This record gives sequence, C-alpha cells and structure tokens, in this order.
Amino acid sequence: GDSVTQMEGPVTLSEEAFLTINCTYTATGYPSLFWYVQYPGEGLQLLLKATKADDKGSNKGFEATYRKETTSFHLEKGSVQVSDSAVYFCALSDFASGDKIIFGKGTRLHILP
Amino acid sequence: DARVTQTPRHKVTEMGQEVTMRCQPILGHNTVFWYRQTMMQGLELLAYFRNRAPLDDSGMPKDRFSAEMPDATLATLKIQPSEPRDSAVYFCASASDRGGYTFGSGTRLTVV
Repeated sequence: GDSVTQMEGPVTLSEEAFLTINCTYTATGYPSLFWYVQYPGEGLQLLLKATKADDKGSNKGFEATYRKETTSFHLEKGSVQVSDSAVYFCALSDFASGDKIIFGKGTRLHILP
Repeated sequence: DARVTQTPRHKVTEMGQEVTMRCQPILGHNTVFWYRQTMMQGLELLAYFRNRAPLDDSGMPKDRFSAEMPDATLATLKIQPSEPRDSAVYFCASASDRGGYTFGSGTRLTVV
C-alpha cells in the first residue's frame, strides 16, 4: 500500500541555518504530496503542497519539489527562525487509495537562538 | 477563515466510561476524517466518510469505537468502554472535492 517515510528527528539547528527534512513515498498511482506543520498544542496546518511531478510547493520561505524519478518531496528552508520550531509531517493523498491522507511519522524541529 | 471545530478540547475520564468526541466540518466539505495521534504510533487514520457514508473504518478497533455522521454538520467518534490505552489526541479533518484538507485543533483524551 501507499506509504510515506521521513527522516527521524529531532533535528536541532541554530537560527539562520539551512534546513532539509527528507521525505520519500511509495504510491501505486499519482499522488498529491503535502507538508503539514504542527505547533505545540495545536492541530496540523497545511504548509505547502504539490499535485504533479516537478511542481514546487512554497510557503513562508519553505519549499519542496515533487520528484517522481526519486519519489521524493524534501522540505527545505534557506534560513530557519526560532518560530519554525514544530513537528513537520510529510503526507500523500492518492485517488487510488480513496483520497485519504497518509502521513509520515513526523520530524520534530528545534531551532536554537 | 473557515475552520473545523472539535469539542471538547480536553477530556479526562475514568476507565470504563463512554466518551463522545464531536466534530463540525467546514460547510460544503463532503469528506471527514478521524485521526488519532500518540507519541508511539504517530498519526493513525481511524475512519473517514464521504457524503456522510463511511468509506473506511479499518483503522478503528470495532469492539469499542464507533464513528457516525448523523448529518452533514456533525461527525462523532465514540469510545465505549474507554481504556487507558485510548489516551491520545483525536483529530478531525474535512476536505472538499477540490482537496484542501483542514484539521481541527483536536480533542486531548486522558483515560485514568
């Protein structure tokens, strides 16, 4: 079945460092890919998405490119801030799986001032 | 902004009691999901509905959990009887046919 694998955390970086959180997926069809962010005590919020190969999703300085050839959707940000500290979830949704969202296990990010 | 509303935000109950969690999806959204989040298992899909019909509840322990949508504005998740291992945060999410899933803030359940 469809699945999402993302790097385990926690990831700890200093403010203004470059961020990469790796995400790869397995899907039988042509899924849409997402990154969600969860701040402490809150629900998940959509950060960005891409619906087809080579699409780049971007929001709040974060970017991810849908790479079909490597089945990846890595999250990047050029200069992180303390306020980016949260848990980040990679996810996919595929019509073949009934459009339900399948999440990775999440990566906790700590940014040190 | 339209939002998914979940009640209660927090619930502490004794083992064996019935627990009901409620979700009001965004108006016009026809798909509703229930997820459970724990430190050990991460986010698990329990059940989801489209146009109020259950599509998949294979992630839900059938003996004690039940999910329903009595109308388009309300989804419920019940646990009877509750057990300490049910302690988790339960999230509801809704989506339209155009995609765009929106999550509620969750119900934090503690069963003692």
